[in-house]
Amino acid sequence: DAKTTQPPSMDCAEGRAANLPCNHSTISGNEYVYWYRQIHSQGPQYIIHGLKNNETNEMASLIITEDRKSSTLILPHATLRDTAVYYCIVRGQGAQKLVFGQGTRLTINP
Amino acid sequence: DVKVTQSSRYLVKRTGEKVFLECVQDMDHENMFWYRQDPGLGLRLIYFSYDVKMKEKGDIPEGYSVSREKKERFSLILESASTNQTSMYLCASSLWDEAFFGQGTRLTVV
Repeated sequence: DAKTTQPPSMDCAEGRAANLPCNHSTISGNEYVYWYRQIHSQGPQYIIHGLKNNETNEMASLIITEDRKSSTLILPHATLRDTAVYYCIVRGQGAQKLVFGQGTRLTINP
Repeated sequence: DVKVTQSSRYLVKRTGEKVFLECVQDMDHENMFWYRQDPGLGLRLIYFSYDVKMKEKGDIPEGYSVSREKKERFSLILESASTNQTSMYLCASSLWDEAFFGQGTRLTVV
């Protein structure tokens, strides 16, 4: 599975959009981009995933660049409860292994 | 709702003891995972299993073994617990898309 690079930490004001970047320049054609988050003292929670088209669900939007070498997770109206560590993972289709990197610690400020 | 249940939230064991951490999922998932999480080191994959009686080593399997006799249950075994195995242990299960995590077991080895 391709390696991902994320900034170690970010801040965002409550009510604003939080944009979390992820680089995955070695991604291959059948690899998906997944996002999870981990709120303090809880297990990680799935947010969204995509292959090449932009995706949106009730939690977030995922924007993948045309060359698929990077992506951005967007939380449109961040709340204090969105404070968490966010993980970007690249995982091959049908791959069983699921490996986490260091993630981005997002802090939402009042 | 998918549920991944870990048998204990907190556990204290003595050095040299054999320790069993149990994980049960109720969604007939093929894949199950064991991770440990330590400050500054993130989530590290210990072992995973993609079918009954099938297992593969993750990134840090030393000092651990696993058992998957039934599809819904994946056990992590510390053959002889040591203090450097004090950690938060997280279990997860998945099909091919999102993974679901348990709440974690905080193990202290004294």
